[in-house]
Amino acid sequence: GAGVSQSPRYKVAKRGQDVALRCDPISGHVSLFWYQQALGQGPEFLTYFQNEAQLDKSGLPSDRFFAERPEGSVSTLKIQRTQQEDSAVYLCASSLGPLTGNHNSPLHFGNGTRLTVT
Amino acid sequence: SQQGEEDPQALSIQEGENATMNCSYKTSINNLQWYRQNSGRGLVHLILIRSNEREKHSGRLRVTLDTSKKSSSLLITASRAADTASYFCATVPNTGGFKTIFGAGTRLFVKA
Repeated sequence: GAGVSQSPRYKVAKRGQDVALRCDPISGHVSLFWYQQALGQGPEFLTYFQNEAQLDKSGLPSDRFFAERPEGSVSTLKIQRTQQEDSAVYLCASSLGPLTGNHNSPLHFGNGTRLTVT
Repeated sequence: SQQGEEDPQALSIQEGENATMNCSYKTSINNLQWYRQNSGRGLVHLILIRSNEREKHSGRLRVTLDTSKKSSSLLITASRAADTASYFCATVPNTGGFKTIFGAGTRLFVKA
C-alpha cells in the first residue's frame, strides 16, 4: 500500500509567516511522530501521537510549534511566526503499534518537507 | 540532546569492502534500531535488535549489541555503490516517555 505522504515537499516562508505541514500516515497506523532534521544531523524528536492523543510534545522547541491529529489519521504540524532557525526538514513517521515499553514496531518515514525561512 | 552517537561521522570505502559503523547510547533501552537515509529522502528501517540479543543478521547486514558498553555496531558486507547513504541508530530509552531518539549518523560513501 501507500507509504507515508508529506506535503508540501518544499516550503519557503518569509520570517514571521505561519506555515502548516501535512502528514498522511500509513492507513491503520496507531503511532505518529514528527521530527526536525537539520542539515547533516540526525532527526530530532518533536512530538508523538497515539491515535488522536498527543502523548508527548516535549520536543517542540517553542510555543510557536503546534501539532494535531484530530481524527487519529492525518496530522498537521503548524509553525507560527516562523524564524530563520526553523529552517530544516520536517519528517513525519508512523508505526503500526502503540509505543509501549517493548516498542518493536519500526518507524515508516515520509520524504519530509524542507522548510526554508527567509 | 540525542541519545545515540555514531562513529565514524563519515566513511569512504571501495565497492566490495566491508563497512562498519558504531553507535553508543546513554540510557538503558528495550531495543535498538538501524535506519538508512538516502539524500533528500526519509529514513528506511533496516534492522531491530532487542536488548536481550547480542547479534542479528539480515542479508548483508550484521548488527551487534553490547548493553554493558551501551554500544552497537552495524556491518555491511561486500558493499555496493547503492549502499551510499547516511546510517542512523535509534533507541527508545527505557525510562518512560515516547521518544525514538536518533544519533547524528554516519555518512557512508561507496566508490564504484
